[in-house]
Amino acid sequence: GENVEQHPSTLSVQEGDSAVIKCTYSDSASNYFPWYKQELGKGPQLIIDIRSNVGEKKDQRIAVTLNKTAKHFSLHITETQPEDSAVYFCAARKAAGNKLTFGGGTRVLVKP
Amino acid sequence: EADIYQTPRYLVIGTGKKITLECSQTMGHDKMYWYQQDPGMELHLIHYSYGVNSTEKGDLSSESTVSRIRTEHFPLTLESARPSHTSQYLCASSDSSVRRGLASTGELFFGEGSRLTVL
Repeated sequence: GENVEQHPSTLSVQEGDSAVIKCTYSDSASNYFPWYKQELGKGPQLIIDIRSNVGEKKDQRIAVTLNKTAKHFSLHITETQPEDSAVYFCAARKAAGNKLTFGGGTRVLVKP
Repeated sequence: EADIYQTPRYLVIGTGKKITLECSQTMGHDKMYWYQQDPGMELHLIHYSYGVNSTEKGDLSSESTVSRIRTEHFPLTLESARPSHTSQYLCASSDSSVRRGLASTGELFFGEGSRLTVL
């Protein structure tokens, strides 16, 4: 089955700096890669996703890149703000209808 | 805004008690899931359902059971709780339908979780 590795497990950045989280996946058939953000006391929420026919996607201060050949994808947060402090999960899935496989999560702390 | 609700949010009970964690969604989603989240953050899929009267075990073995008698409702039950069951339980739902010729991305909508402590 699919295996998703996520690094780092914790990330501390100064407000205004950038944060990068990296994930690798094992199944070359995976074609959908979402990122979820979990704030304290809440369930994870989708923040951005990318499909395998796209190499990069951006939404305001967050962007995701995908390298299908190397089987890795990354989340980039620019100009970090205290409200970006949360746990972030990457995930991978094959065809629609299959289950998502989550990475282990990254705890991001943005220091004011 | 996701319309998926979990109750109770917090529960502290003694060993041997039977508990049911409730999960309801009003979005008409066909698929529902239960995840166990340990203090180390990882999300472990313990049960899922692709529709009424359909339930499957997830990737992590669990002593809990689930039922899916109605589309909107997916309760999780522990017949005899033990301290090892102490954890955060997250319910989620997704839609696999096709609308206007476009397949749903299958985005997961999570509830806020039920934190269970077994003494």
